[in-house]
Amino acid sequence: AQSVTQLGSHVSVSEGALVLLRCNYSSSVPPYLFWYVQYPNQGLQLLLKYTSAATLVKGINGFEAEFKKSETSFHLTKPSAHMSDAAEYFCAVSRLRQGGSEKLVFGKGMKLTVNP
Amino acid sequence: ETGVTQSPTHLIKTRGQQVTLRCSSQSGHNTVSWYQQALGQGPQFIFQYYREEENGRGNFPPRFSGLQFPNYSSELNVNALELDDSALYLCASSLELAGSTYNEQFFGPGTRLTVL
Repeated sequence: AQSVTQLGSHVSVSEGALVLLRCNYSSSVPPYLFWYVQYPNQGLQLLLKYTSAATLVKGINGFEAEFKKSETSFHLTKPSAHMSDAAEYFCAVSRLRQGGSEKLVFGKGMKLTVNP
Repeated sequence: ETGVTQSPTHLIKTRGQQVTLRCSSQSGHNTVSWYQQALGQGPQFIFQYYREEENGRGNFPPRFSGLQFPNYSSELNVNALELDDSALYLCASSLELAGSTYNEQFFGPGTRLTVL
């Protein structure tokens, strides 16, 4: 079975500060890993994904994440937070499957607040 | 290109009633997945349909059922509604290609169901 753990539910940073959202995964097979962002009253938007290519993945809006197999982690970072980054962030894991998209298993999410 | 759309946006039902939620996939996509997102939680996989057949199911009771139509639009039906069914229901569409290992899921904005 696959799972992801996002410790805590809320993180608060100042505008311009580093954003670090932690995600640890559990998977018995090589995982695909994802970060999604959800703005209020909206669906999920893919920020970035790891699908067994480069371990450092760059996404939209200046976010990036590094896959570390030894630590079973896929933490999301952004060097400088903007007010527009305030949203909820979900880490998700899926598994390699020939022929298409496997179900996504999501963490509980992390609400990011950016203070002026 | 039209994205994934869902209807209605909001819905209020009472316990014991039945509800149908609708999803229109992104143009050209042949697969749809449904997720339930309870308040303060990450989305949970309900089921997936590929070419009108169920292609995987999560840990949800049989009163959750679905349909996918030849035009790849989809319905989620829930019978005998319970209070705990109150949640945001998300659908995600993707294009399954033979021989591919990963196909991105594109999410709709969701339908918020309240059961009183």
